[in-house]
Parts: sequence; C-alpha cells; structure tokens
Amino acid sequence: DVKVTQSSRYLVKRTGEKVFLECVQDMDHENMFWYRQDPGLGLRLIYFSYDVKMKEKGDIPEGYSVSREKKERFSLILESASTNQTSMYLCASRGGAGGSYEQYFGPGTRLTVT
Amino acid sequence: QQPVQSPQAVILREGEDAVINCSSSKALYSVHWYRQKHGEAPVFLMILLKGGEQKGHDKISASFNEKKQQSSLYLTASQLSYSGTYFCGTDPDSWGKLQFGAGTQVVVTP
Repeated sequence: DVKVTQSSRYLVKRTGEKVFLECVQDMDHENMFWYRQDPGLGLRLIYFSYDVKMKEKGDIPEGYSVSREKKERFSLILESASTNQTSMYLCASRGGAGGSYEQYFGPGTRLTVT
Repeated sequence: QQPVQSPQAVILREGEDAVINCSSSKALYSVHWYRQKHGEAPVFLMILLKGGEQKGHDKISASFNEKKQQSSLYLTASQLSYSGTYFCGTDPDSWGKLQFGAGTQVVVTP
C-alpha cells in the first residue's frame, strides 16, 4: 500500500513564525502536491512538484513556498505565518504523469496560527 | 475556477440511491472522485477520462459528459459505509493539477 505521512497531525504557531510542514511518501512517486482544505471551499492546490527540485504554483501559492530536495519528501513552508493560514493542510502523491493517475493523500496537518 | 458540486448535502436511508453532480466551466481531460470520512484523508474512488475510459471503485459508478463538462457520481443501494464527504476534482489538461469542488456531505442512516 502507498503510504503518505505528514510530520504532525496538529500544530499551533504564532503569527510571524516560520513554519515547516513535512510530507514523505514511500512509493517512489514523482509527483507530489500540497493542498489546503477549508470548510465550504474544498481542497485548493497550493503547490505541486513533478520531480526533485521542480515545482509549480497551484491556485493559491501566496504566502507559501516549497522544497523538494529528495524524491520522497516535499516540504511546505510558511515564511511568516498569519492567522488566515489557519487551516487543514493535506499532502498527496501520484505515481504517474498525467491526469489518469489517482492521488494518494496523507492524514493532514491541522495548523492553527494565533 | 473550482467546479460546482450539488447537492451540498444529502441524507439517505440504507438501501436508497443518490446522485452527486459536478459541473465545470472549462473543457476537461478527466474528472476524479474522492471520499473523505471525518478526520481521515480523502480516498480515491474513480477517474473518468475524456474518451470514455474509467478506472476505480467497482461498487460506485459515475458518468462523464465531456460536451457539458459535467460528471455525476451514483450511489446505488447505499450502505452505512458510504457516509462521508464526496469531492470531485477536475483536470483540464492532463497535468493532474486538480481543482476540487466544495464537497457533498452524505449521511446514510440505518
């Protein structure tokens, strides 16, 4: 079974802090994604990476950056956390290129910024 | 632009049927369906590709009207395990950068 793990289930940070969310997948997938999930809005794509050191902006990249130094690990960085970044963050990976492959999601990190 | 899902919520008794709709304003390459139970990660159900190919769950069916950019998910003879929030994800260009709808909450009661 594909396993996608995220470093924390719950995280509380203060406004202005730098925050790192880590995601690791164990299936040698090339593509990895970061989403945020908010009630009534569904999942929105922040960034995705189609290979090591490659990244592309999603629909809501403002205030975020990413890092992918190794194939199995994709990190989401909040440079200076703000209260409007309080949300559930979901990481996903996908085995193949193109839209015919399903995405496998991690359990999520619920981030609260106070 | 995110696809529009309807209804927002539906309550069913075990054994009843329901349809969840997903509509996009863009031409689509594929539509993906996921189900998320409370406190858990979304789980893949089905992919419908332009041209008619489907891949996914053998107990849940779906359709994809390419001309109308619409997809429907059919929950037939619902079971308690069908409860959860269903999301459609649309892919306009085969890159897999999905845009998800807001979700449809399904509650199946005994």
